[in-house]
Amino acid sequence: AQSVTQLDSHVSVSEGTPVLLRCNYSSSYSPSLFWYVQHPNKGLQLLLKYTSAATLVKGINGFEAEFKKSETSFHLTKPSAHMSDAAEYFCVVFTNAGKSTFGDGTTLTVKP
Amino acid sequence: GAVVSQHPSRVICKSGTSVKIECRSLDFQATTMFWYRQFPKKSLMLMATSNEGSKATYEQGVEKDKFLINHASLTLSTLTVTSAHPEDSSFYICSASASRFYNEQFFGPGTRLTVL
Repeated sequence: AQSVTQLDSHVSVSEGTPVLLRCNYSSSYSPSLFWYVQHPNKGLQLLLKYTSAATLVKGINGFEAEFKKSETSFHLTKPSAHMSDAAEYFCVVFTNAGKSTFGDGTTLTVKP
Repeated sequence: GAVVSQHPSRVICKSGTSVKIECRSLDFQATTMFWYRQFPKKSLMLMATSNEGSKATYEQGVEKDKFLINHASLTLSTLTVTSAHPEDSSFYICSASASRFYNEQFFGPGTRLTVL
C-alpha cells in the first residue's frame, strides 16, 4: 500500500520570498517520487523527480526537493517565488508495481 | 522525447451520447497507459490501467461498462464514455509509461468533457 499526504492545501507567499510545499509519503516498495505543477485548465507539467539517485533533486524553474527516507518526506522548495509560480502542485508516488498515488494538491498563491 | 497527446482537448456532448477520447504516445512505445479523472479543484483519480493487447484493469468504483478502454497498439489507447450524463463531466487525463522509463509516467494535456 502507498499513500501521499500533502500537508498544506493552500500556501500563500509574497513574490520574492521562499516557497515550501510539504509532502510525506508511505510505500511498501522503493518509490519514485515526483512533483508536478498544473496551471488552471492545463495538463500536468513535471517539475522534478526522485528515482533513487541523488537525494537532492533539482528541477525546472528553480525548484528543488530533498528526499528524506528517515522522515518519509519529499518537500518542494524554491528560494524566491515568482508570480508565474501560482498554480496547483501535486506530489506523486509511483512504484514498480505500476501504481501511482497522487497527493490532494497544494494551491500556491503568490502575492505581489 | 516522451510526448503524449490527447484528442480532443475539449468536447461538449448531449446526455445519452457516447464520447471517445484518444491518447497517443508520439515518440515512444507505451507498454502501459493510464486513465485519470480530475474533478474541479481536486486531485487526479486513477480510473484504469491498460496494457497493450489485454483488458484494462479498473480501479474500485469505476464502472467498466461505462468507461470503455481499448489499448489496441503500443501508441494508442482510447477511453469511451458510454451514454454520457452530466455527472460524467470532468477533466480526463491519460498517461503512458514504458519499462525503459523506470517508474515514470508521461501525461497528456487532458480532455475537458462537458455533458449537457
